[in-house]
Amino acid sequence: ETGVTQTPRHLVMGMTNKKSLKCEQHLGHNAMYWYKQSAKKPLELMFVYSLEERVENNSVPSRFSPECPNSSHLFLHLHTLQPEDSALYLCASSRGIGLDEQFFGPGTRLTVL
Amino acid sequence: AQSVTQPDIHITVSEGASLELRCNYSYGATPYLFWYVQSPGQGLQLLLKYFSGDTLVQGIKGFEAEFKRSQSSFNLRKPSVHWSDAAEYFCAVGPLTGANNLFFGTGTRLTVIP
Repeated sequence: ETGVTQTPRHLVMGMTNKKSLKCEQHLGHNAMYWYKQSAKKPLELMFVYSLEERVENNSVPSRFSPECPNSSHLFLHLHTLQPEDSALYLCASSRGIGLDEQFFGPGTRLTVL
Repeated sequence: AQSVTQPDIHITVSEGASLELRCNYSYGATPYLFWYVQSPGQGLQLLLKYFSGDTLVQGIKGFEAEFKRSQSSFNLRKPSVHWSDAAEYFCAVGPLTGANNLFFGTGTRLTVIP
């Protein structure tokens, strides 16, 4: 148990659906992250939030929309996804940005039909 | 450009044998280096990290890694592997300052046979 939880753990959605992934950290951290993990590819950083402000957005398509209402919660809103978006989506948190260790959640396995 | 190479996609070792997982990086400045482990169905867990000082760093679960600047390498080692070490291992590199933008390798999957 790393103190970072993600729901749901598995999600199957059609290309026209709208769904949201949720991440919650219980560590008192100030920074939160979304990563995409696809088979045979390096982990890709998608978004970074520090104190609820987005500080990094690595050219992610607009069909992925993050939301950070407070320092403990992070959402990833999904709409009109493509089959190639099927992947494991990992959330992480750290005390701050910079040298601090990132603690990862177990991920949401997303399948887009 | 920053990149991390883990040349071994899959390694199989016998329980009790020694282990070395390779990691090479390309980075334009002094790097901050990590090894993470991911067990099936789990997120990534930090094994160890290096950013300065002694080039041989000790981590959790009996792992160690050695930073060799001349070879741009940060190989992970364990003298005696346990069955519970079977997992995927990721090397990552990041900047010493600024946003925590880590670059990960593609991972090495470790299988441990009895």
